[in-house]
Order: sequence, then structure tokens, then C-alpha cells
Amino acid sequence: AQSVTQLGSHVSVSEGALVLLRCNYSSSVPPYLFWYVQYPNQGLQLLLKYTSAATLVKGINGFEAEFKKSETSFHLTKPSAHMSDAAEYFCAVRLSGGSYIPTFGRGTSLIVHP
Amino acid sequence: NAGVTQTPKFQVLKTGQSMTLQCAQDMNHEYMSWYRQDPGMGLRLIHYSVGAGITDQGEVPNGYNVSRSTTEDFPLRLLSAAPSQTSVYFCASSYSAASYGYTFGSGTRLTVV
Repeated sequence: AQSVTQLGSHVSVSEGALVLLRCNYSSSVPPYLFWYVQYPNQGLQLLLKYTSAATLVKGINGFEAEFKKSETSFHLTKPSAHMSDAAEYFCAVRLSGGSYIPTFGRGTSLIVHP
Repeated sequence: NAGVTQTPKFQVLKTGQSMTLQCAQDMNHEYMSWYRQDPGMGLRLIHYSVGAGITDQGEVPNGYNVSRSTTEDFPLRLLSAAPSQTSVYFCASSYSAASYGYTFGSGTRLTVV
């Protein structure tokens, strides 16, 4: 079985500040990990994914995430927030065995202040 | 453009009415899923399919039916709409390999009065 925990339902930052969205997972087998972004009134879009090729993964719009097995974490970061980054962010895990149906976290709403 | 197409985008139903939410994908994805999104609840899986002719229940299947007669289409049927089914519904699809992410449709906003 797998699970995903996103710490903080809301994260507020100032424009230009560091963005850090936290995601912890649990799984019994090596996981594949994903971050999705949802802009208002839209569906989810894949932001980046970890598939074991490299622990530091770069995605679209300047976001990146680092897989840390020892901490079972896959936190999403961006050095400098932009107003257009305001959105809902979801972390998800798919396992390499079993039904391959992903498990999503509850989501974190990123608020960017001018 | 390749992707997941959901129709309608908006729908208002009266309690007890039935309707079908349509979902189609043109990427030859084996996996398709239906989610509902409610404030503070994240995404909840309703039903999913791992291939044509194969469906299974997710976390919140009650009141919904699905079928998958083709690879491309995965309609969601509301049997007798209830106010508790007021939500935003998303269809998503993916290749079967776990290393692939899901492609989501733009959603259907359903209100049951």
C-alpha cells in the first residue's frame, strides 16, 4: 500500500521568495513520484516526475524536486516565486508493482503576495 | 491536440435525474480514471479502468456506474443524482507503466439542486 502526505493545506509566500511545498510518501516498493499543478478552473497538469534516473528532478516553470529516500520525501521548490505560480499543487505516488493506480495527496494551495 | 476531452463543462441537475459525463482520450492510454474534487478533500477516485472491458471501483463508487467498451471512451453515469454529488469531476488517463504521469481533462462542474 502507498500513501502521500502533503504538509500544509496552504502556503503563503511573497513574490520573489523561495517556494517550498512538502510531500512525504510511504510505500513498500520503490516509488514513482509526481507533482501536478492545478490553476483555477482547470484540470491538473504534470509538473515533474521522479522515475529513479536522478534524485534531483527539474520541471516546468522553474520548479524542481529532490527525492530523498532516507526521509521518504519529495519536496517541491522554486527559488523565486512569481504571481503566476499561485495554484493548487498535488503530490502523487505510483508503485512499480500492483495496480499502478496513483495515490494523490490532499493538495497544497500556494498563495503569492505582491 | 492530443489529450483528454470531457463534456459537458457545466451541468445543473435536479435531484433524482440521471446523466452521463463523457470522457474521451486519443493517446491510446490503457488506464482511465474518474475523480471528484471537493473543497478540502483533494481528489477522490470514483472508478477506474485498466483496459477495454475492465473496470473497478475506487474510493467513492456509490451512485456512479462506468463502462469501457473502447480504449478511447470512459463515460461516467450518475444513476439518480443527489445534492451530495455536487462536485467537480475529472477524467484522467495514462499508459499502464507506473513511470508515466496522468493526463487530466479540464473537468465537469456539476450542481445537483
